[in-house]
Amino acid sequence: AQSVAQPEDQVNVAEGNPLTVKCTYSVSGNPYLFWYVQYPNRGLQFLLKYITGDNLVKGSYGFEAEFNKSQTSFHLKKPSALVSDSALYFCAVRDEGSARQLTFGSGTQLTVLP
Amino acid sequence: NAGVTQTPKFQVLKTGQSMTLQCAQDMNHEYMSWYRQDPGMGLRLIHYSVGAGITDQGEVPNGYNVSRSTTEDFPLRLLSAAPSQTSVYFCASSYSPLGIGELFFGEGSRLTVL
Repeated sequence: AQSVAQPEDQVNVAEGNPLTVKCTYSVSGNPYLFWYVQYPNRGLQFLLKYITGDNLVKGSYGFEAEFNKSQTSFHLKKPSALVSDSALYFCAVRDEGSARQLTFGSGTQLTVLP
Repeated sequence: NAGVTQTPKFQVLKTGQSMTLQCAQDMNHEYMSWYRQDPGMGLRLIHYSVGAGITDQGEVPNGYNVSRSTTEDFPLRLLSAAPSQTSVYFCASSYSPLGIGELFFGEGSRLTVL
């Protein structure tokens, strides 16, 4: 079975400070990992993915994520937060060896305070 | 290039009524899927398709039907609406049927069942 957890429903950070949105996963085989962002009343937009290779993945809008196999984590990070980064963020996972489709986390609401 | 187009954006139904949510993509993607989004539960997969004529069930398929007669279109049918189907529905497509490609989402369809 595959699952993903986002332990924080809400993250608040001051503009200009670094931000981290946490994600942990559980799979039987190798994971495919994704981050998506959702702005109010919009569909989800792809940010970045880890399939294989370098553990540090860079994505859209200055975001990056680090794949940590020993801790089964894939935390989303940005060195300097912008007010416009305020949105709902979703982590998603798929087990490489499974026929299961993508499983999404419950989402983390990020608020960047001016 | 319109991407993924969903109609209608809003719909109110009475219990027992039927309706179809339309989804069309113009990116020639083989993979298409339907998700529902409920507060605190993230996105849950309803049905998906890896090509014309091929569909399969996701995590929460009960009460929903799909068909895929063309690459472009993937309608979702509610046969007899129930209040538990009140949700926001998202259609998504991808160039990769193997689950390693990014998903492109529509803007969503907000359904209320009274």
